[in-house]
Amino acid sequence: AQKITQTQPGMFVQEKEAVTLDCTYDTSDPSYGLFWYKQPSSGEMIFLIYQGSYDQQNATEGRYSLNFQKARKSANLVISASQLGDSAMYFCAGYNFNKFYFGSGTKLNVKP
Amino acid sequence: EPEVTQTPSHQVTQMGQEVILRCVPISNHLYFYWYRQILGQKVEFLVSFYNNEISEKSEIFDDQFSVERPDGSNFTLKIRSTKLEDSAMYFCASTRDRGRTNEKLFFGSGTQLSVL
Repeated sequence: AQKITQTQPGMFVQEKEAVTLDCTYDTSDPSYGLFWYKQPSSGEMIFLIYQGSYDQQNATEGRYSLNFQKARKSANLVISASQLGDSAMYFCAGYNFNKFYFGSGTKLNVKP
Repeated sequence: EPEVTQTPSHQVTQMGQEVILRCVPISNHLYFYWYRQILGQKVEFLVSFYNNEISEKSEIFDDQFSVERPDGSNFTLKIRSTKLEDSAMYFCASTRDRGRTNEKLFFGSGTQLSVL
């Protein structure tokens, strides 16, 4: 089984600044995927970014990048140039053994 | 982008009543899931479904829960006798296949279940 840990229940960031949301994982499988999802107040789950365990480069998708440090088993999400619309809940998730595991989430508030 | 469709978006029911939550996964997807999220809390795995049978289920998925794929498109979650603690957002999700680590989980927009 895989365990996903998000230690920041809430974060504040000033608009236009960068913010890092932490995620650590624990798995015995060498092959796994790591994902970040955004959940706005409307409730839907929006896929943001994916990182595979064998990927050599850190994943990037627009303003989102994933700081993948395999030795430390961390997969932090970096949001650059925060916007007010980034205020939401963010979930880190891991996938292996045909199952997805979710962290407890981080609530991000972007201040104007 | 293709979507997972869930109906209804909101469901209010009396304790002890049966509810059926409906989902239409993406048409070429083979692996289906139900998750639930109690307000403000973690997304919890309930069950996965592949090739017309349950692949895996969590401790939450007890005898009160069942899943079915009654036809080629719908995927349903039934709660036989709802309890107050079943109040949650229920997400249906699907993946194209399984076994590959880059399988993105596509979520529906959820059904908010309120048990009174």
